Amino acid sequence: AQSVTQLDSHVSVSEGTPVLLRCNYSSSYSPSLFWYVQHPNKGLQLLLKYTSAATLVKGINGFEAEFKKSETSFHLTKPSAHMSDAAEYFCVVSEMTHDMRFGAGTRLTVKP
Amino acid sequence: DGGITQSPKYLFRKEGQNVTLSCEQNLNHDAMYWYRQDPGQGLRLIYYSQIVNDFQKGDIAEGYSVSREKKESFPLTVTSAQKNPTAFYLCASSAHAVQLTGSGANVLTFGAGSRLTVL
Repeated sequence: AQSVTQLDSHVSVSEGTPVLLRCNYSSSYSPSLFWYVQHPNKGLQLLLKYTSAATLVKGINGFEAEFKKSETSFHLTKPSAHMSDAAEYFCVVSEMTHDMRFGAGTRLTVKP
Repeated sequence: DGGITQSPKYLFRKEGQNVTLSCEQNLNHDAMYWYRQDPGQGLRLIYYSQIVNDFQKGDIAEGYSVSREKKESFPLTVTSAQKNPTAFYLCASSAHAVQLTGSGANVLTFGAGSRLTVL
């Protein structure tokens, strides 16, 4: 069975400093992995996806993630945080489209 | 612009009442999904539909019902049998029906959500 663990429920950074949101996954197959972002009382928006091509995936708004099979990780990074990055971030693992497993989410706070 | 429209945005229900949440998409997507979101938890799948007139239970289908009479529409009814219905409900769609992910991974497009509160 597939599962995903987001290692931090809350991350706080200062504006202009790097962001690291950690995600570990478990899967019997070669899964697809996603990061979604959710602003308060809104739907989820896709940031990026990994689908067995390049292990370093670039997404929108300067975010990127690296797939590391040996570590079963898919951490999300951004070199410099912006105030507008404050939101909830979800890591998702999927073997089948109808069976996507969402992490519990990481709330990112950006301090001025 | 193409997208998913959920209504109402906020809904209040008295105990014992059924309520229906609307979800409409104009993306021409085959598959549609309903998720429930509770604070501090990820999304959990309630129901999904691959094609018109067909739908499957997800992980937490008890106390909910759906229909798929049109490709564009996938309404969710929260019945009185759902004992803890207060939550944020998200509708999503994907271009294709169920398939193995991988190089052709299906991306979910989400609506803005409906917040249901039981009084």
